[in-house]
Amino acid sequence: NAGVTQTPKFQVLKTGQSMTLQCAQDMNHEYMSWYRQDPGMGLRLIHYSVGAGITDQGEVPNGYNVSRSTTEDFPLRLLSAAPSQTSVYFCASSYGADENQPQHFGDGTRLSIL
Amino acid sequence: GQQLNQSPQSMFIQEGEDVSMNCTSSSIFNTWLWYKQDPGEGPVLLIALYKAGELTSNGRLTAQFGITRKDSFLNISASIPSDVGIYFCAGHSISTSGTYKYIFGTGTRLKVLA
Repeated sequence: NAGVTQTPKFQVLKTGQSMTLQCAQDMNHEYMSWYRQDPGMGLRLIHYSVGAGITDQGEVPNGYNVSRSTTEDFPLRLLSAAPSQTSVYFCASSYGADENQPQHFGDGTRLSIL
Repeated sequence: GQQLNQSPQSMFIQEGEDVSMNCTSSSIFNTWLWYKQDPGEGPVLLIALYKAGELTSNGRLTAQFGITRKDSFLNISASIPSDVGIYFCAGHSISTSGTYKYIFGTGTRLKVLA
């Protein structure tokens, strides 16, 4: 099994550019989420989805959009990149959203905004 | 946003020593998870705790779910060089609006000296 696959692994953008971070899982997980990891801040939830067609905001959603057209894919879109969005982004998935379903993480996308 | 207090932030230990780290919260959680993150990779689940007072082991790792449901600790016995990495705790939260999410600690960075 591939598990949770994130692409690209690295990306450099200029301020104002847009891009989409891809996340795919092959475990038939219903729950998917996006986090950003910054030094000293741990992991902060950006957006999450409890199933295809359903998304919701996390702690730090501003500047990001998501969609969930299929169970497998959960892309994260930066509409107009800003230097404050320089971070490492992790996608995670689990069978469900309840407390008995630990999340499995991808290897991350390292994003730099110049 | 809500985050867990994790301590210590970092620690240097000699190979063979035991390690202890903990996580505290002002909120009650129904699930505690412990993850390890190696450089350049995503967090990997080590131990999941689902019941207050529960003590669970995974090899040299032992974790406990605090009786108050507001804390958890992780112990590593007889540390080895490959234990190096960042250890994160996470608690499962359900907001008043019904949002399911995991709240992550800020991490404990462990370095093992051979």
